[in-house]
Amino acid sequence: GDSVTQMEGPVTLSEEACLTINCTYTATGYPSLFWYVQYPGEGLQLLLKATKADDKGSNKGFEATYRKETTSFHLEKGSVQVSDSAVYFCALSGFLSDYKLSFGAGTTVTVRA
Amino acid sequence: DVKVTQSSRYLVKRTGEKVFLECVQDMDHENMFWYRQDPGLGLRLIYFSYDVKMKEKGDIPEGYSVSREKKERFSLILESASTNQTSMYLCASSSPGTGTRYEQYFGPGTRLTVT
Repeated sequence: GDSVTQMEGPVTLSEEACLTINCTYTATGYPSLFWYVQYPGEGLQLLLKATKADDKGSNKGFEATYRKETTSFHLEKGSVQVSDSAVYFCALSGFLSDYKLSFGAGTTVTVRA
Repeated sequence: DVKVTQSSRYLVKRTGEKVFLECVQDMDHENMFWYRQDPGLGLRLIYFSYDVKMKEKGDIPEGYSVSREKKERFSLILESASTNQTSMYLCASSSPGTGTRYEQYFGPGTRLTVT
């Protein structure tokens, strides 16, 4: 079945450092790919998405490119802030998944001033 | 903005109690979902619903049931709470409309502790 594997955390960075969180997937057909973010004490919110190969999603300085050849959707940000401290989840919705999402385990990111 | 609300942020129940978790969304979404979130396991789907009175089992339905009597409300029921159901429970909703078909909107979560 569909599945997502993302790099384990926790990840601790200094402000203005570069962040990369790796995400790879297994799915049949052509899934849609997502990154969700969960700030402390809150529910998940959509950060960015890509619905077809080579699409690049971007939001709040974060980017991720849908790479079909490597089945990856890595999340990147060039300069993180303390406010980026959160848990990040990679997710996919498969072609025949009936609107369901499959989530990775989540990566906790802490940015220190 | 879409708003998904959950009845409680924190809940403490005893083993064997019947527990109701309520979720309400205000955007007329057809689809609603219940997940549990555990460290290192991500989010796992318990149940989901396409429409009023319709429900489908997710990946981990054992020990849970759901009810959807109105479009905006989706309830999760723990028939007899057990300590291994201590977790964060997240509700979400989505609409099958073009362009947003798979985007889910989440509530703030209910942290349930069963003692």
